[in-house]
Amino acid sequence: QKEVEQNSGPLSVPEGAIASLNCTYSDRGSQSFFWYRQYSGKSPELIMSIYSNGDKEDGRFTAQLNKASQYVSLLIRDSQPSDSATYLCAVEPTNDYKLSFGAGTTVTVRA
Amino acid sequence: DAGVIQSPRHEVTEMGQEVTLRCKPISGHDYLFWYRQTMMRGLELLIYFNNNVPIDDSGMPEDRFSAKMPNASFSTLKIQPSEPRDSAVYFCASSLWRARGKGSPLHFGNGTRLTVT
Repeated sequence: QKEVEQNSGPLSVPEGAIASLNCTYSDRGSQSFFWYRQYSGKSPELIMSIYSNGDKEDGRFTAQLNKASQYVSLLIRDSQPSDSATYLCAVEPTNDYKLSFGAGTTVTVRA
Repeated sequence: DAGVIQSPRHEVTEMGQEVTLRCKPISGHDYLFWYRQTMMRGLELLIYFNNNVPIDDSGMPEDRFSAKMPNASFSTLKIQPSEPRDSAVYFCASSLWRARGKGSPLHFGNGTRLTVT
């Protein structure tokens, strides 16, 4: 079992719709969770972090965390073509300092 | 604030040559990570340092790869001799450790795209 798994893409959504990205993790003791966005040919950039159960909103982005289910998600509301990118889920393990990354989900927003 | 700075941005070399990638982390950060990214394997951690000391190099693919961090503001990743299968984008990232559960996200450099012919 991989440490961090993301729903397989690519995910294609029409402009203005909600894009929903899912991530599950295996280390039950993990406490910090991050979403990175990576445009083609660019480096990953941090867009959201979440540390406690529930929802965290930042502009059009909402991160949701459920530690009991070992599940973290990212919602992109009112999707724009500029949101087309690969989204990486990263989890801080219990007993290590290196983040575990998922394989990423590629999102394409159709104009 | 200046972010993580990597050089060169692009490197094209012939098989068998030595390649040196360079990284300057964000000032004050105490962790430095080297990653490699390919389409097939995604983002792979090669090695990371804490306060200039290598902590985990289990991701270094073979002895041809070596990394150093002589001081808090500089690190190198060296490949000698290089092979075509080393072609990838190499990222350096740094972070400041706060506390478990308090958030210590990685900040990535722009990467070095390495092509070995």
